[in-house]
Amino acid sequence: DAGVTQSPTHLIKTRGQQVTLRCSPISGHKSVSWYQQVLGQGPQFIFQYYEKEERGRGNFPDRFSARQFPNYSSELNVNALLLGDSALYLCASSQDREETQYFGPGTRLLVL
Amino acid sequence: QKEVEQNSGPLSVPEGAIASLNCTYSDRGSQSFFWYRQYSGKSPELIMFIYSNGDKEDGRFTAQLNKASQYVSLLIRDSQPSDSATYLCAVKVLTGGFKTIFGAGTRLFVKA
Repeated sequence: DAGVTQSPTHLIKTRGQQVTLRCSPISGHKSVSWYQQVLGQGPQFIFQYYEKEERGRGNFPDRFSARQFPNYSSELNVNALLLGDSALYLCASSQDREETQYFGPGTRLLVL
Repeated sequence: QKEVEQNSGPLSVPEGAIASLNCTYSDRGSQSFFWYRQYSGKSPELIMFIYSNGDKEDGRFTAQLNKASQYVSLLIRDSQPSDSATYLCAVKVLTGGFKTIFGAGTRLFVKA
């Protein structure tokens, strides 16, 4: 079975631009969570979606938004990029909102 | 106080020794506890999860949970150089929606 997939793998943007990151969960998993990981830190929780509804939100500004589609894939959007948004963005899926999460390979975003 | 705290390390142990990794958490409503391993440049990989007080063993790994002390640990027996990685403690909380909070991780080096 395929694991969690994310695209793109790497991305370079400039300050003020907007970015969309994509995630496909493991087949049969209905929950997707997004995390931001900066170098030397653990992943920081951004959002959890379950059955296309937001179920949890971390302490991130409104520039960050996400959605989940009927096939349970998800997109994370970040507007008005700042240098500090440079990080590894991780997507994790689980069967439901309380189950163990499995991570995708991540998207490495560099904001110049 | 950070929600999930770990010693950043590095923790260095000789090959074949027991490595002991510790984690404390602040939210008494925490439901589930996870240990992930993360190699440099890679995404986190689930090692173990534990929900109830006590010990849980899986091969060379033992997770220990003490909810009264808000403490969770991971023991790695017969440590191997391939165990050298950053170990992330994660806690799932229900406060303010579903979210998983990660510690900053402990770097482990196993010397051959």
